[in-house]
Amino acid sequence: EAHLEESGGGLVQPGGSLRLSCAGSDFTFSSYSLAWVRQAPGKGLEWLSYISSSSATIYYADSVKGRFTISRDNTEESLFLDMSSLRVDDTAVYYCVRNEYYTGMDVWGQGTTVTVSS
Amino acid sequence: DIQMTQSPSTLSASVGDRVTITCRASQSISDWLAWYQQKPGKAPKLLMYKASTLESGVPSRFSGSGSGTEFTLTISRLQPDDFATYYCQQYNSFSTWTFGQGTKVEVK
Repeated sequence: EAHLEESGGGLVQPGGSLRLSCAGSDFTFSSYSLAWVRQAPGKGLEWLSYISSSSATIYYADSVKGRFTISRDNTEESLFLDMSSLRVDDTAVYYCVRNEYYTGMDVWGQGTTVTVSS
Repeated sequence: DIQMTQSPSTLSASVGDRVTITCRASQSISDWLAWYQQKPGKAPKLLMYKASTLESGVPSRFSGSGSGTEFTLTISRLQPDDFATYYCQQYNSFSTWTFGQGTKVEVK
C-alpha cells in the first residue's frame, strides 16, 4: 500500500523559514504528481502547491505564491516544501498528498504541524 | 477561481439514517469532483472520485451523484464509523484545487 510520511514541522517565529519533507514508499514515486495541502486549527482543507512527476509543472495557491517553493527528488523518493516569510496564519497541519489526474488526492501522509508564533 | 460550497455545515443524525450532503461549484466542473472523509486528528481519506466512482475499499453505503455545478454525497444507512467531517473538492481546474468548507456529521 502506498505510503507518504511528512517531517520537518515545528515552531518558528514570524518571518522565519522552514523546510518540510515527505518520503514516499511502496509505490513508483517518480510516476506520480504530488501536492501539499494544509489545515489550520479547527478549519478546513487548503490546497497549497502541486508538482508534476518530472517537476516540469508547478502550481501554487495565491496565499503562498512567492513565499513557498515545492520541489522533489525522485531518486530519493522525497517531496519538499520550502517555506519562507512565515506568518502566524501559516500555522497548520501540512499534508503531503499523491495527486492523481483522474482520481484526485488518493494517498495522504499523516501530516506535520507547523506553528508560527513569537 | 472556482469556489465550492457545501451544505449543511453540520448535520445531526442517528445510526441507520440516510444522510445527504450537497456540494455546489461556482462554475461547471463537469464531474471532476472528489469526496473525502476526515476523522479528528487524522488525515483525510478519499471516498469518491469523478463524482460517483467509489474508491477501492470504501463501503457501498456511500454513493455520489451530480455533474456540472451540483453534487451530492449520500450515506444510505449511517454507521457509527461514519461520524466524521466530509469535504468535497473540485479538480476540473488543473492549476488550482479547491475544497468545500466541510460538513460535520455528528450524533443526534
